[in-house]
Amino acid sequence: KNQVEQSPQSLIILEGKNCTLQCNYTVSPFSNLRWYKQDTGRGPVSLTIMTFSENTKSNGRYTATLDADTKQSSLHITASQLSDSASYICVVSADNAGNMLTFGGGTRLMVKP
Amino acid sequence: DTAVSQTPKYLVTQMGNDKSIKCEQNLGHDTMYWYKQDSKKFLKIMFSYNNKELIINETVPNRFSPKSPDKAHLNLHINSLELGDSAVYFCASSHWAGKGTDTQYFGPGTRLTVL
Repeated sequence: KNQVEQSPQSLIILEGKNCTLQCNYTVSPFSNLRWYKQDTGRGPVSLTIMTFSENTKSNGRYTATLDADTKQSSLHITASQLSDSASYICVVSADNAGNMLTFGGGTRLMVKP
Repeated sequence: DTAVSQTPKYLVTQMGNDKSIKCEQNLGHDTMYWYKQDSKKFLKIMFSYNNKELIINETVPNRFSPKSPDKAHLNLHINSLELGDSAVYFCASSHWAGKGTDTQYFGPGTRLTVL
């Protein structure tokens, strides 16, 4: 069964600090991995998409890494801002599933001043 | 504004009623989706339409019936609403990419509460 697990479930950091969120998956055969940001009361917004051949991708202060051998990904947030407070969702697509995505439960990040 | 829009944003109704949620996208995408986000915040695919044709239909009760009058619209009709249907429903759209590499753009969600 395809699964995506994220850790930690929630995280509180001070503004300006860095943090790293983790994602482990068992989706097979792997096609691509995405990180989404979901603000409270809003729909998810895509941050990065990585295919099998990519092991890192950046979007501003967000940097995602992918290790397809260990089936792990991380999202690193640099110099956090209050607006980074949101849920971060790891999403994996299987190679035989068209556009069907398996979502992780998300990490709820709170950035405090 | 170019976006995925949903109406209504909030829907409160009694058990047993029939209700519809509308979704429209003006991004020129050919594929649209409905997701359900439960109280534990997991998003699960319900349906996907490509060029008005159903391509994904997960294990969803047949009380849920999607309707796509054209590529820009995918509406969700729910019959005989049950307490367990309470959730946030998200519509999304994308270009069709067989390997699923195209970005999906999500609407703001519709919070359905069944009393």
